[in-house]
Amino acid sequence: RKEVEQDPGPFNVPEGATVAFNCTYSNSASQSFFWYRQDCRKEPKLLMSVYSSGNEDGRFTAQLNRASQYISLLIRDSKLSDSATYLCVVNSYNFNKFYFGSGTKLNVKP
Amino acid sequence: NAGVTQTPKFQVLKTGQSMTLQCAQDMNHNSMYWYRQDPGMGLRLIYYSASEGTTDKGEVPNGYNVSRLNKREFSLRLESAAPSQTSVYFCASSEYGGSNQPQHFGDGTRLSIL
Repeated sequence: RKEVEQDPGPFNVPEGATVAFNCTYSNSASQSFFWYRQDCRKEPKLLMSVYSSGNEDGRFTAQLNRASQYISLLIRDSKLSDSATYLCVVNSYNFNKFYFGSGTKLNVKP
Repeated sequence: NAGVTQTPKFQVLKTGQSMTLQCAQDMNHNSMYWYRQDPGMGLRLIYYSASEGTTDKGEVPNGYNVSRLNKREFSLRLESAAPSQTSVYFCASSEYGGSNQPQHFGDGTRLSIL
């Protein structure tokens, strides 16, 4: 079983739509969680950390559900520039390793 | 603000040639990582160095060696390149243990082996 699993998509949404991605992780002892954004042929860039109480950054909201072992990312009022692949990342219990999902591709259409 | 710097950005090798990919970070991070990314496969960890003086294998270490030269630098070596090692290689760094800090990535090395 993979450490981190994501729906690869693609999610095709119109501008202005709200879209949500989920990601499940297998190790209940995982300590920290992140969402990264990766544009085509570029390096992954940190979008936001995910905190236990949930957190928001502008149009982006991240949530953690430890009981069900998943994290989510909600994007409101989608922009064309949000088109990218979104990677779910989980840090191991000893913080030495990061486990990446394969990514969810988002296409925002005019 | 250089962050994580990788060299070279592009390289073409012939099968059997060797080369070293260089990575340096200026954020005083303790941990450094090498990943490869292939289409549809996501990021796979090759080797990592939790702190200066230590290195450990990741998910796909075969065919690679690493050196943590000092706190700033972590190099990846291909001793005898094979076409299966054609990939995009990313170096990353992070704070060590307990800090709950994310990784920061270099902009990658695109390697083709003919």
